[in-house]
Amino acid sequence: DTEVTQTPKHLVMGMTNKKSLKCEQHMGHRAMYWYKQKAKKPPELMFVYSYEKLSINESVPSRFSPECPNSSLLNLHLHALQPEDSALYLCASRGQPLTEAFFGQGTRLTVV
Amino acid sequence: AQSVTQPDIHITVSEGASLELRCNYSYGATPYLFWYVQSPGQGLQLLLKYFSGDTLVQGIKGFEAEFKRSQSSFNLRKPSVHWSDAAEYFCAVALMNSGYSTLTFGKGTMLLVSP
Repeated sequence: DTEVTQTPKHLVMGMTNKKSLKCEQHMGHRAMYWYKQKAKKPPELMFVYSYEKLSINESVPSRFSPECPNSSLLNLHLHALQPEDSALYLCASRGQPLTEAFFGQGTRLTVV
Repeated sequence: AQSVTQPDIHITVSEGASLELRCNYSYGATPYLFWYVQSPGQGLQLLLKYFSGDTLVQGIKGFEAEFKRSQSSFNLRKPSVHWSDAAEYFCAVALMNSGYSTLTFGKGTMLLVSP
């Protein structure tokens, strides 16, 4: 199973809402990632978790709050987002350093 | 700084014609290189990877890529393009960032396939 599953596929939220994005993998990977991708742009790294600990935060605003409850799950909690936060949010996992990352299908987020 | 450059923003190829997408990297050590494909609104799918060894690597969907250290290039090729190959293609290099492995992507090349 080389699958990374993200839910929901689509999400529309108001600027005062609180929502969460979920990501799950069962490949035993110990590194998990959140990326943000705007239209016609490459993915931009947001967070890296390694062995369930936050290892890299690429200066992401605090309205994005990641969580790694266990080695298979990665959440991204959203609160008080802005319309410019509308994007495709991608989760990825990796087994060994410098090897390929496996990506989920993404969550298309629209902030209204 | 390490970087990946994809010189072509868009490429249009006729169905059945051959394809070459260019990728150049700037990296001091031996790079770990990847090509990913992304259909609209979808995630990224790995096409192929290069770590070491044979410089011509085969991937899925009939794609191949050749690593040329002298040219700092890792170009993607396909001998005969199908309409379903229309998508965005990203070249990427794996780097160590603060002791953790991350991917740096090129800006992508959008492939359009004409009938």
